Amino acid sequence: DAGVIQSPRHEVTEMGQEVTLRCKLISGHNSLFWYRQTMMRGLELLIYFNNNVPIDDSGMPEDRFSAKMPNASFSTLKIQPSEPRDSAVYFCASSSSGASTDTQYFGPGTRLTVL
Amino acid sequence: GDSVTQMEGPVTLSEEAFLTINCTYTATGYPSLFWHVQYPGEGLQLLLKATKADDKGSNKGFEATYRKETTSFHLEKGSVQVSDSAVYFCALSVGGTSGSRLTFGEGTQLTVNP
Repeated sequence: DAGVIQSPRHEVTEMGQEVTLRCKLISGHNSLFWYRQTMMRGLELLIYFNNNVPIDDSGMPEDRFSAKMPNASFSTLKIQPSEPRDSAVYFCASSSSGASTDTQYFGPGTRLTVL
Repeated sequence: GDSVTQMEGPVTLSEEAFLTINCTYTATGYPSLFWHVQYPGEGLQLLLKATKADDKGSNKGFEATYRKETTSFHLEKGSVQVSDSAVYFCALSVGGTSGSRLTFGEGTQLTVNP
């Protein structure tokens, strides 16, 4: 199994530009999580999907951020317009169900730099 | 709300030293507890987990015991290696409407010197 796949691995963009981060879940998994990691705030959950439905988006910073699951195996996180404070490493993770005992499998992350 | 508190880092040890990284939690439900490890430039990997009180999770020589009475899940290893140098994150998941979402501690940077 290839594990969780994220693209791009690195993204450098200018303030105001649109950024799209992509994630492919592990086959058979039905829960998808987007996290953001910064030095100041550590690891934060942005949004959580179960069976393609957003369950909890309370961590999404503001309207500039949006996330979708167009199908059961793929998700996008979009930032429009981007700002320097969005610079962070963004991880997606998947798990096989919504149970609290589940193991989450993390992708390698996308390092975003907004100039 | 739910939260996890880890001992402050960074922690620097010599090879073969004993390691303890403290972790305490507060949770509204009955959580599952996890330790994840992040090697430089990589994503997080599950190191071990425990899903009920008094359970001991173990992997690669690391251990942690779920202590409900002290709301703790301290990570230990009897003899660390240089290859254990990484950032360690304690986390919890409470289930219910929160599903398997993880709440993380701040992370503890471990450096092991030869």
